[in-house]
Amino acid sequence: AQTVTQSQPEMSVQEAETVTLSCTYDTSESDYYLFWYKQPPSRQMILVIRQEAYKQQNATENRFSVNFQKAAKSFSLKISDSQLGDAAMYFCAYRTNFGNEKLTFGTGTRLTIIP
Amino acid sequence: DAGVIQSPRHEVTEMGQEVTLRCKPISGHDYLFWYRQTMMRGLELLIYFNNNVPIDDSGMPEDRFSAKMPNASFSTLKIQPSEPRDSAVYFCASSSGTGGYEQYFGPGTRLTVT
Repeated sequence: AQTVTQSQPEMSVQEAETVTLSCTYDTSESDYYLFWYKQPPSRQMILVIRQEAYKQQNATENRFSVNFQKAAKSFSLKISDSQLGDAAMYFCAYRTNFGNEKLTFGTGTRLTIIP
Repeated sequence: DAGVIQSPRHEVTEMGQEVTLRCKPISGHDYLFWYRQTMMRGLELLIYFNNNVPIDDSGMPEDRFSAKMPNASFSTLKIQPSEPRDSAVYFCASSSGTGGYEQYFGPGTRLTVT
């Protein structure tokens, strides 16, 4: 079974600075998807960014980018120019591309933005 | 698009009572998922449907839990009888099999069983 590990329960960053959240996963598959979701205090789960395993190019969405290292099974999220609205729990998630559609989530990282 | 709609947003009930959570997926999406979030177990999949058919219900805790999807625009998750350990936030999510498979989540239902 696939597992997703987020080893940083909490992180903090100064407003306007850059922060990187770590995620590692364990799988024997070669084709899969990885996601980062954001959960602010409102508890709404918001998709931040997606990466297909077959793509070598790292995904980017405005201030959010990933560093996908397939061989190392690492998928970190970089947030540039941090804003107060970025404060939230961030969850890394894995989805196989072979049949089962379910997402396997990590335990989350709570990000605090310091004004 | 209105996004995934869940009701109620909050539910407080007494142990032994029946609880029904409702979900309306995004129009055109053919996958629907029910997840549960607790402090102890994090986010875990309970069940998911494809074209209204249950595909994987291995995450359903026990027979007290049941889920149905009578049509493409509506699903229910029922707990009967409810127990205090069922207290959690229950999320519904939907996705499209022809798109990027991203799952879009509803706002969740916070269930408290006393």
